[in-house]
Amino acid sequence: AQKVTQAQTEISVVEKEDVTLDCVYETRDTTYYLFWYKQPPSGELVFLIRRNSFDEQNEISGRYSWNFQKSTSSFNFTITASQVVDSAVYFCALSEDSNYQLIWGAGTKLIIKP
Amino acid sequence: DVKVTQSSRYLVKRTGEKVFLECVQDMDHENMFWYRQDPGLGLRLIYFSYDVKMKEKGDIPEGYSVSREKKERFSLILESASTNQTSMYLCASNVGTHYGYTFGSGTRLTVV
Repeated sequence: AQKVTQAQTEISVVEKEDVTLDCVYETRDTTYYLFWYKQPPSGELVFLIRRNSFDEQNEISGRYSWNFQKSTSSFNFTITASQVVDSAVYFCALSEDSNYQLIWGAGTKLIIKP
Repeated sequence: DVKVTQSSRYLVKRTGEKVFLECVQDMDHENMFWYRQDPGLGLRLIYFSYDVKMKEKGDIPEGYSVSREKKERFSLILESASTNQTSMYLCASNVGTHYGYTFGSGTRLTVV
């Protein structure tokens, strides 16, 4: 069973549009951690955010924001006023307290058109 | 600027060759990881290490081995390269379990 689901394989928007990338996770642990990573065309994965299961506050960092909702087991990522440089593959990942391995979603390819 | 450095960006090797992929981190991180990334298969963990001389198998260790003689260096070894090991190899490290990973820029290995 897939534990981290990124249902959107590819999203294409025009620059300056807002876009939300969905992430749904599945775990029985009460303590867990959620992550988002960005992989631009250059290939190097970049860590964006880590959120633990006890902190449901939304996070904002510039044009990026994250919405964590335990009730729906979702950790969605929104880019406001998208830019061409945001074009990348974005991965959501889960780290369970009972498991040393990071569980990765399949990724969402985001294309921002000028 | 903290870094994970992979020794080669692109490599082409012949079938049957012994291949070494090197990874060095300068952050004094405890944990180091080797992944391979293939289209449609996502990121798959090959091996990881949580301490010097310690190693643990990931999801796809077959055909690979690793070495961690020093804290900062984690090597991935393909004992006898095969064409199905053509892939992007990514090294990562983190300060401890459940913390974010810092990745290297990747090595694109082609086995011919």
